[in-house]
Amino acid sequence: NAGVTQTPKFRVLKTGQSMTLLCAQDMNHEYMYWYRQDPGMGLRLIHYSVGEGTTAKGEVPDGYNVSRLKKQNFLLGLESAAPSQTSVYFCASSPRGAGELFFGEGSRLTVL
Amino acid sequence: KNEVEQSPQNLTAQEGEFITINCSYSVGISALHWLQQHPGGGIVSLFMLSSGKKKHGRLIATINIQEKHSSLHITASHPRDSAVYICAVRRYSGGGADGLTFGKGTHLIIQP
Repeated sequence: NAGVTQTPKFRVLKTGQSMTLLCAQDMNHEYMYWYRQDPGMGLRLIHYSVGEGTTAKGEVPDGYNVSRLKKQNFLLGLESAAPSQTSVYFCASSPRGAGELFFGEGSRLTVL
Repeated sequence: KNEVEQSPQNLTAQEGEFITINCSYSVGISALHWLQQHPGGGIVSLFMLSSGKKKHGRLIATINIQEKHSSLHITASHPRDSAVYICAVRRYSGGGADGLTFGKGTHLIIQP
C-alpha cells in the first residue's frame, strides 16, 4: 500500500523554467492538498481539491496552478519558477474535509 | 501573535526521559492534529483528537478544550523519536481554505 507518493523528490530549476509535481494516492480519498514548508514557518496551503475535477486556492496560490483530472492524482505546476518558490512541497490527502491527513514524503525544489 | 504556539521550539533530552511538548491555540477548534516529521523525511499523522486523551504505544496526546491547550507526551524516549513534532488545529471557520492552522514545530533530539 503506497499511500501518498510524490514525484520528483528533488529538482533544481533555473528562474523562468516550468515544471510539474505529481501527487498520487491509492486510498480513494476525495480531498487532496498541496502545501509548502519553509524554514521558521508552519506549513502553508497552496491549493486544494475536494474531488475529481475540482480545485481551489489556498493561502499562497500565486505562481502555482493545479489540476485534478483523475481522483487519484493532484498535479502542482510552476509556469515560470522564481527563487521565492524554493521550498519543500508536501502533498496530502484526506478521506473527508475534517478527516485524518496522509502526507507524501515531500519534494525539495530549488530555483536558482 | 500566531494562532498556534508550540513550546519548546527545541528540546534535547537523554534516552529514557519523559518528554512533553505543548501546543496552545487561540481560536475555537473542532479538532487538533499532532504530526511527526523525521529529518529529510515525510510527515506522519500521529493523532487527531477533539477531546480527552489518546494513546498509541509510547505516545500520549491530551487536549483541554476549555484551556485551549494540548500536550504530546513521549514515555521512555528513544533516539528514533528524534524528529520535528507539529501541532495543527482545525478551526470552525477561517484558518486557511482547509481550515487547518499549523504550528512551527518542536525540534526534538534524543541523545543515546
